[in-house]
Amino acid sequence: DGGITQSPKYLFRKEGQNVTLSCEQNLNHDAMYWYRQDPGQGLRLIYYSQIVNDFQKGDIAEGYSVSREKKESFPLTVTSAQKNPTAFYLCASSISGIGAKNIQYFGAGTRLSVL
Amino acid sequence: AQSVTQLDSQVPVFEEAPVELRCNYSSSVSVYLFWYVQYPNQGLQLLLKYLSGSTLVKGINGFEAEFNKSQTSFHLRKPSVHISDTAEYFCAVSVIYNQGGKLIFGQGTELSVKP
Repeated sequence: DGGITQSPKYLFRKEGQNVTLSCEQNLNHDAMYWYRQDPGQGLRLIYYSQIVNDFQKGDIAEGYSVSREKKESFPLTVTSAQKNPTAFYLCASSISGIGAKNIQYFGAGTRLSVL
Repeated sequence: AQSVTQLDSQVPVFEEAPVELRCNYSSSVSVYLFWYVQYPNQGLQLLLKYLSGSTLVKGINGFEAEFNKSQTSFHLRKPSVHISDTAEYFCAVSVIYNQGGKLIFGQGTELSVKP
């Protein structure tokens, strides 16, 4: 089945540690996205990528980094500079290009907590 | 700038009663509109979408929504809810640019169906 796989489902970070969240898709989508979800705040865009080897900052990129070396993969690193990383992280993908309507499909999410 | 407002943060309703979840958006250009559903500790699932054509859109699980351009609204309705409809619902508007795009989400509405 085609879809988006996020791993791990739960992740714990120690003080000063960088952690990486994985996102893989086999939908052949060009565009991929990372969102952060906090209770009562909806979804906020961290980073997005419309094509391999290119990505842009979203609304809350500080303290995060990404890479897009393969079409299928868009890992998110939560760095030690992110002082409040506890949240639910969601990855999504969509078709890109002329005529695309930006219909996004989501993974099951990773819940990150600080030890 | 585009924005989305979900007018109710929580909607309690009894089983088999009708429900309406309200969504208003602001946009100066043509819009694509979406409703997503999120069950606890899961990702977002696309419930329905408005891209063009008929203003009444039918989705999964018996939900429907009506696009009203003059009132800039996209309210979600179901004539008779089930316990299993208990979840958080997000309204979103698509921003299209440079062959790409991103979604702007509302804050979410928590639907609680009681027996």
